[in-house]
Amino acid sequence: AQSVTQLDSQVPVFEEAPVELRCNYSSSVSVYLFWYVQYPNQGLQLLLKYLSGSTLVESINGFEAEFNKSQTSFHLRKPSVHISDTAEYFCAVSGGSNYKLTFGKGTLLTVNP
Amino acid sequence: GAVVSQHPSRVICKSGTSVKIECRSLDFQATTMFWYRQFPKQSLMLMATSNEGSKATYEQGVEKDKFLINHASLTLSTLTVTSAHPEDSSFYICSAVIRPGGDYGYTFGSGTRLTVV
Repeated sequence: AQSVTQLDSQVPVFEEAPVELRCNYSSSVSVYLFWYVQYPNQGLQLLLKYLSGSTLVESINGFEAEFNKSQTSFHLRKPSVHISDTAEYFCAVSGGSNYKLTFGKGTLLTVNP
Repeated sequence: GAVVSQHPSRVICKSGTSVKIECRSLDFQATTMFWYRQFPKQSLMLMATSNEGSKATYEQGVEKDKFLINHASLTLSTLTVTSAHPEDSSFYICSAVIRPGGDYGYTFGSGTRLTVV
């Protein structure tokens, strides 16, 4: 069985401030980790993912996440946020042969001017 | 890239009627499709996994007879909400596994907002 814990349900920040959205997982098998972003009434868009190799992964819009196996974490960071980053962010984990993707409860990031 | 087209985006139906939601993979073959349900301001809950040509596997607590899933071809999976009631109102999202050239990930439909009145 696998699970994901997103410790913060809401994170309000001011524009141009740094932000970290926390994610911890548990799994009995090797994992693949994902961060998705969801805008209201839309599907999910992939931000970044960790499959193997370098533990630091980056997205094209300035987000990055680091896979930490010892702490079973995959926190998402951005050094300077924009108003347009306001959205719901979901951390997810998959592993095993059934490809099931398990989501955390999500973190609402609100960027204020 | 791999795209899943989901229709309709919004549907309003009367209580007791059935509603069909379609997900089509446009440029790849989706052997496995997942169906999720999302309540307002909550996470995605996996309802079932469908594999082309076989019966869907439902998660615990999901009514198989209410949420009929058909995956008859490699490019089409459907979810039919039968005898819908107001408590079935929700946001439904489909997803497919993609494995292009050794990579691995998921592509999601844009979701269907179902409102039962």
